[in-house]
Amino acid sequence: DAGITQSPRHKVTETGTPVTLRCHQTENHRYMYWYRQDPGHGLRLIHYSYGVKDTDKGEVSDGYSVSRSKTEDFLLTLESATSSQTSVYFCAIAVYGDTQYFGPGTRLTVL
Amino acid sequence: SQELEQSPQSLIVQEGKNLTINCTSSKTLYGLYWYKQKYGEGLIFLMMLQKGGEEKSHEKITAKLDEKKQQSSLHITASQPSHAGIYLCGADFWGSGNKLVFGAGTILRVKS
Repeated sequence: DAGITQSPRHKVTETGTPVTLRCHQTENHRYMYWYRQDPGHGLRLIHYSYGVKDTDKGEVSDGYSVSRSKTEDFLLTLESATSSQTSVYFCAIAVYGDTQYFGPGTRLTVL
Repeated sequence: SQELEQSPQSLIVQEGKNLTINCTSSKTLYGLYWYKQKYGEGLIFLMMLQKGGEEKSHEKITAKLDEKKQQSSLHITASQPSHAGIYLCGADFWGSGNKLVFGAGTILRVKS
C-alpha cells in the first residue's frame, strides 16, 4: 500500500458540468501524476506535478487543469466535461527518479 | 503509445503453462517498468530494468531487457489463476524516471 487515495471512486456526470477529482498521499512524495486509461491506449499522462504549485502538461492535457496547493493533494479538474473524457483516472506518486506507485483509480462517466 | 508496442494484446493459457509478453520500443530506453493490474483496481509495480542485458525475477515472473535496451520480455513460468490480469510496460525515455510512456497492455487469462 503506497498510501494513495482517490476520491470519488466512481462518478457519473453530465456533459458540460465541471468535475474535480482528488488524489491524496500520506507519503509526502514530491512527484504526483494524473493518467487516464482507455481500452487500446494503455495509460496516458494528463498532467504531473514536481512540487507545490509546480505542474506541467502531459500527452493528453487538453480539457484538463490541475492544482497542487499542498504536498499531499493533487487535484484534476475537468472544466466542462465531455463524453470523450469518460475514462478511468489514475493518480500516481514517486520520489525523484524512482518507481511510480498508483492509486486505486476513479471511474468517470460523462453522459 | 506508438513509441512502445506490447504483444500480444491478449493471451489465454492453460494453468501450468509458460508464457511470454513482449514490450518493444522505437527508441533506446533509460528504464523499463512492468506493472500488473487486476480488473477494476490500480497498477501494482512488478519490476524495473535499467541495464542492457539485465534480468530480474520475482516468484515465477522473470523480466529481461535486451542488450540494445529497446526490447523487454516478461516471462511467467507455470502460470496460475492468480497471474491473470493486465500487464503493462512503462518506458522512461528521458532518464529521469519522472515521465513514463505506457504500452497498451496485455490481457492475460489463465484457464483452470
